[in-house]
Amino acid sequence: EAGVTQSPRYAVLQEGQAVSFWCDPISGHDTLYWYQQPRDQGPQLLVYFRDEAVIDNSQLPSDRFSAVRPKGTNSTLKIQSAKQGDTATYLCASSSDSYNNQAPLFGEGTRLSVL
Amino acid sequence: GDSVTQTEGLVTLTEGLPVMLNCTYQTIYSNPFLFWYVQHLNESPRLLLKSFTDNKRTEHQGFHATLHKSSSSFHLQKSSAQLSDSALYYCALMRGSALGRLHFGAGTQLIVIP
Repeated sequence: EAGVTQSPRYAVLQEGQAVSFWCDPISGHDTLYWYQQPRDQGPQLLVYFRDEAVIDNSQLPSDRFSAVRPKGTNSTLKIQSAKQGDTATYLCASSSDSYNNQAPLFGEGTRLSVL
Repeated sequence: GDSVTQTEGLVTLTEGLPVMLNCTYQTIYSNPFLFWYVQHLNESPRLLLKSFTDNKRTEHQGFHATLHKSSSSFHLQKSSAQLSDSALYYCALMRGSALGRLHFGAGTQLIVIP
């Protein structure tokens, strides 16, 4: 079974530039999460979806960050105007609604450096 | 709100000694899911253990943990540490059927030395 796939693996930007991250969850997983993990910190939830619906985006900086999952499968996270403080690894995870299989599984992440 | 506490930020052990990493949690939800994730350097978190059954031991790759709802704990243990166990370990909590968000503890860095 293929795992969660993310691209790109790395991104380097100047402040003010835009960037998009793409995530393909595990097939059949209806819940998709985006986490931000700054260096030397734990993962922090940005937004998560159940199918195409946003369940919680309260931690997403809405002025610059956006996330969509239009068909309830793949998802895109976009930063409109990056800041140095956005430097982090962006992790996508997915999970199933099955009672015995709810552990979110993570992709390899996208490492973002904003100069 | 929901929270997870990992009291040790850093644990340094000699190879062969037992491992115990503490995890306690707070939630008003009566049937939480508890997880341990391991994160090696430059990698993403990988699921190590999961449990939602009270007082039932769960094991994987030599590690084990038992969810104790009476004490709100889910400590990670291993009988004999190996050098390859050196990593960051996160305890995490999720409310069950409502597919709530995953709440991570602060993490415990485990360093195993020869």
